[in-house]
Amino acid sequence: KNEVEQSPQNLTAQEGEFITINCSYSVGISALHWLQQHPGGGIVSLFMLSSGKKKHGRLIATINIQEKHSSLHITASHPRDSAVYICAVSYNRDDKIIFGKGTRLHILP
Amino acid sequence: DAGITQSPRHKVTETGTPVTLRCHQTENHRYMYWYRQDPGHGLRLIHYSYGVKDTDKGEVSDGYSVSRSKTEDFLLTLESATSSQTSVYFCACGGYRGTNTGELFFGEGSRLTVL
Repeated sequence: KNEVEQSPQNLTAQEGEFITINCSYSVGISALHWLQQHPGGGIVSLFMLSSGKKKHGRLIATINIQEKHSSLHITASHPRDSAVYICAVSYNRDDKIIFGKGTRLHILP
Repeated sequence: DAGITQSPRHKVTETGTPVTLRCHQTENHRYMYWYRQDPGHGLRLIHYSYGVKDTDKGEVSDGYSVSRSKTEDFLLTLESATSSQTSVYFCACGGYRGTNTGELFFGEGSRLTVL
């Protein structure tokens, strides 16, 4: 069982829709990362958070430490948001950073 | 630009040959990681380093070794490449001030094909 679970695995939505991608993890963490990977492209860090909420443009990331859960929201989605979104956690117990399998998002014009 | 370069970016080799991938960074990151990315598996940790000569194993370390003799370079070696090691390899760097909670930066990936 992967220690970092993301849902959904795949998501197709219409342009303009509000998007939510979820990430849950099993043990205590020091930080959680959200990353973006465009098809055939590199990996870019979107957010790093250890509590509360962060916002950057149309992207919002929240984390609930007690529930061991984080969400990535995209408001007013656009076709250029089509990418794989990846959640990763830094564990308290060691220095490893473990990744979820990613959520493939496709926004239709 | 996070100053992370991977080399080579593409390599085709034959089963049984040794292969070394290099990750070079210019930002003095303490932590460096090697991942492989395969369809259906996402990014899986191979090895990581938390300082010069300090390394540890990840989830899929069998068949791989690493070395870090300088802060800026983290080498991944496949002693005897196998077809199951055909993959895209990513180097990541991050972590500041003695923690592992710094923002992550990635290299552009190295595509390795083992025939």
